[in-house]
Amino acid sequence: QVQLVQSGAEVKKPGSSVKVSCKASGGTFSTTGISWVRQAPGQGLEWMGSLVALFGTPNYAQTMQGRVSITADESTSTASMELSSLRSEDTAVYYCASVGPDKAALDFWGQGTLVTVSS
Amino acid sequence: DIVMAQSPDSLAVSLGERATINCKSSQSIFSNSNNKNYLAWYQQKPGQPPKLLIYWASTRESGVPDRFSGSGSGTDFTLTISSLQAEDVAVYYCQQYYPTRGFTFGPGTKVDIK
Repeated sequence: QVQLVQSGAEVKKPGSSVKVSCKASGGTFSTTGISWVRQAPGQGLEWMGSLVALFGTPNYAQTMQGRVSITADESTSTASMELSSLRSEDTAVYYCASVGPDKAALDFWGQGTLVTVSS
Repeated sequence: DIVMAQSPDSLAVSLGERATINCKSSQSIFSNSNNKNYLAWYQQKPGQPPKLLIYWASTRESGVPDRFSGSGSGTDFTLTISSLQAEDVAVYYCQQYYPTRGFTFGPGTKVDIK
């Protein structure tokens, strides 16, 4: 069973960047797909992108292209998501989730990281 | 991009009664290569991350009560809660994950007790 532990809450200024980390345990990190999903206050779920460490090439949502970067460090079993040019609309809870190898759906989730963008 | 729609936006059902949520994708998410529909259902309670309930449109995740079932194929899917319990009050999301199309969530359906 995969366990995902995310970094803590962040408060950022508009125009800056934020990096959220997600440490995985209990699975084979190199072949586990990690997706990032965000949820603005009172809103639904928005997929941002995914990465399988072994393959190395992330897949991003078109709405996020150019502002988001997803990376993985196999040595520490940690995935990271960096979002740049922050604006107030990026205020949200950011989740990492693992892609079940036989399910292709998101079977295990991190606890979420609140990112607040405010001047 | 594949767009997911859900209906209704919300529903209130009496305890023990059936709740039905519909999900429609803008394109077929059925793969002829493996005969699977790339559709999942999630349950989210306030302050918690989503929880996977159903994948491949109708396969129940381990530990999920059998009152939850998924059906459908192609573009039209349904999540059914056969006998609503108090702990089922939540928002339910469908999601497509067709290969190379990324992941897309529906807008969610809020389920309450009548």
